[in-house]
Amino acid sequence: KNQVEQSPQSLIILEGKNCTLQCNYTVSPFSNLRWYKQDTGRGPVSLTIMTFSENTKSNGRYTATLDADTKQSSLHITASQLSDSASYICVVSGLNDYKLSFGAGTTVTVRA
Amino acid sequence: DTGVSQDPRHKITKRGQNVTFRCDPISEHNRLYWYRQTLGQGPEFLTYFQNEAQLEKSRLLSDRFSAERPKGSFSTLEIQRTEQGDSAMYLCASSLGFTETQYFGPGTRLLVL
Repeated sequence: KNQVEQSPQSLIILEGKNCTLQCNYTVSPFSNLRWYKQDTGRGPVSLTIMTFSENTKSNGRYTATLDADTKQSSLHITASQLSDSASYICVVSGLNDYKLSFGAGTTVTVRA
Repeated sequence: DTGVSQDPRHKITKRGQNVTFRCDPISEHNRLYWYRQTLGQGPEFLTYFQNEAQLEKSRLLSDRFSAERPKGSFSTLEIQRTEQGDSAMYLCASSLGFTETQYFGPGTRLLVL
C-alpha cells in the first residue's frame, strides 16, 4: 500500500482562481515533507519543504501546510496562472532514510 | 552548474535491444538516485549511489538492469533485452546529503516497441 495518498487525482480550474491539493501519509517516523511540481515531460522541481515542527511554508503563490499529528498536508495555489498547469507530487522522507515516498500526484489544469 | 542533466531525453527502441542512459548530477553532490516513473504515477525508487558505491537496489531492478557510477560523478543505467513493460520515464536525481533535497533531471523517456 502506498504510504502517500494524494487527492484529487486531477482538477481543472479557471485562471485567477485558487485551489487546494491534499496529501495524507503514513510514513513513520517522519522527517520532512516536500511538494514538487512536475511539468509534462520534465523532472520534478521542489516547491516547498517542511519538517515536523513547521506548520506552513510559502513559495510565491504556493502555500503548503502540514499537520504532523494527523499526517496531512495541503498545497494551496493562489491566483492560478496558465503556467501552474502541471502535476503536483507530495513526497515524504522518513527519519534517517534517504528513500522518498512519492504520492501519485495531482494533475492541475488551468484554463483561460 | 545548470543542475542535473540526462541524456538522451527520448529513446525509442525495439523489444530485445539494449539501451543505456546517462545522468550527470550537480557537481558537488555525492549522492545519486535513479527512479522510474510511469504515466499517472509518482517516481519509484530503483537504485542509489553514494560516490561510486551502489548502496541499494530496489526489487524493481531486475537482472536486466545495471547501473554504474565509475568515478563517483556521472552515472549510467543500462537495460538489456528491453521489454515493452520497460517503457517509462527514467529519472535521475542527486543530493548533497541523504536528508537534503533531491534535485531531479529532466528524465529520459523510453518507448519499447
